[in-house]
Amino acid sequence: QKEVEQNSGPLSVPEGAIASLNCTYSDRGSQSFFWYRQYSGKSPELIMFIYSNGDKEDGRFTAQLNKASQYVSLLIRDSQPSDSATYLCAVFNTGGFKTIFGAGTRLFVKA
Amino acid sequence: DVKVTQSSRYLVKRTGEKVFLECVQDMDHENMFWYRQDPGLGLRLIYFSYDVKMKEKGDIPEGYSVSREKKERFSLILESASTNQTSMYLCASRRGITEAFFGQGTRLTVV
Repeated sequence: QKEVEQNSGPLSVPEGAIASLNCTYSDRGSQSFFWYRQYSGKSPELIMFIYSNGDKEDGRFTAQLNKASQYVSLLIRDSQPSDSATYLCAVFNTGGFKTIFGAGTRLFVKA
Repeated sequence: DVKVTQSSRYLVKRTGEKVFLECVQDMDHENMFWYRQDPGLGLRLIYFSYDVKMKEKGDIPEGYSVSREKKERFSLILESASTNQTSMYLCASRRGITEAFFGQGTRLTVV
């Protein structure tokens, strides 16, 4: 079992729709959770982080964390073609000092 | 503005060459990381360092070594480059359990 799992996609949504990206992790001791966006040929850039159970909203983005289910999600409302990218879920494990990344989900937003 | 700078954007080296990839951060972060990213495999951790002169193996250290003589600089060394080390290399730095900031990436081709 991979430590951080994401559906590779591609996930295709029409412009203006809600895109829902999901991630599961295996280590119950994980403390910090991050979503990065990566455009083709570019390096990852942070878009959201969440530490506590529940929802965290920032503009069109909402991160959701459920530690009991070991599940993190990212919702993108009013999706735009410029949101088309690969979204990486990352989990920080305090004991190992490491940030573990999922393989990423490719999102396509169709105009 | 935070900055992680990698010495080269593109690099072409011959099989058997010793290759140095340099990374510098200006954020006074204690933690620095080297990842490689390959299609379908996501980001894989090669080595990380949580302090000057300290280093820890990541998930795929074979064929690589690192050096951290100063806090702001973390170097990745390919002792004898091979074609299977052709990849995108990403350096990142982080303070505590906060998010990691990435450099722009080095696309290395070994011929």
